Amino acid sequence: ELKVEQNPLFLSMQEGKNYTIYCNYSTTSDRLYWYRQDPGKSLESLFVLLSNGAVKQEGRLMASLDTKARLSTLHITAAVHDLSATYFCAVDEDSGGSNYKLTFGKGTLLTVNP
Amino acid sequence: DVKVTQSSRYLVKRTGEKVFLECVQDMDHENMFWYRQDPGLGLRLIYFSYDVKMKEKGDIPEGYSVSREKKERFSLILESASTNQTSMYLCASSFSYGGTEAFFGQGTRLTVV
Repeated sequence: ELKVEQNPLFLSMQEGKNYTIYCNYSTTSDRLYWYRQDPGKSLESLFVLLSNGAVKQEGRLMASLDTKARLSTLHITAAVHDLSATYFCAVDEDSGGSNYKLTFGKGTLLTVNP
Repeated sequence: DVKVTQSSRYLVKRTGEKVFLECVQDMDHENMFWYRQDPGLGLRLIYFSYDVKMKEKGDIPEGYSVSREKKERFSLILESASTNQTSMYLCASSFSYGGTEAFFGQGTRLTVV
């Protein structure tokens, strides 16, 4: 059974600081996704990482993938309050017959304080 | 823009009722998913479907069934609702080949009393 583990689960940061969220997974998949969820809202796609060494950046967020270590990171640079949200990583798993199911981590609740 | 629409934002049902949650997508996606989201547990996959009339169990299928009669519509059925099925339910869709992001509906907050 595929396991996707995020840490930390809760992160309280000050504005202007840097931090990293980690996502470990137990399969050999080379496809990993990051999503953002605002309170009371649905999930919004942030990044799609499709190969070893992939790096994507959008504003103050940068995601990377190391398939050999089965690890993805979401790095936050100079945090601002608007980044407060829950961040999920998710991994594709081939359930057989080329049917892919998406398994999520438990999410990291990020709070950025002034 | 991809649109995944769930039929209700909020539902209140009684224990023992049969409950239908509907999801429609407009992007011709082959895959459709039903998740439930609970505090501290993240998103857990209930069922997914990779084609019309095709389905696979996810991690927590007990007490649920699904129906996919048309490509754009995926229904989640609670055969006999129980209070432990009170949760946020999220529908998602994606193309069938791996490596494409899934798009989510706005969620249905179901309360079973």
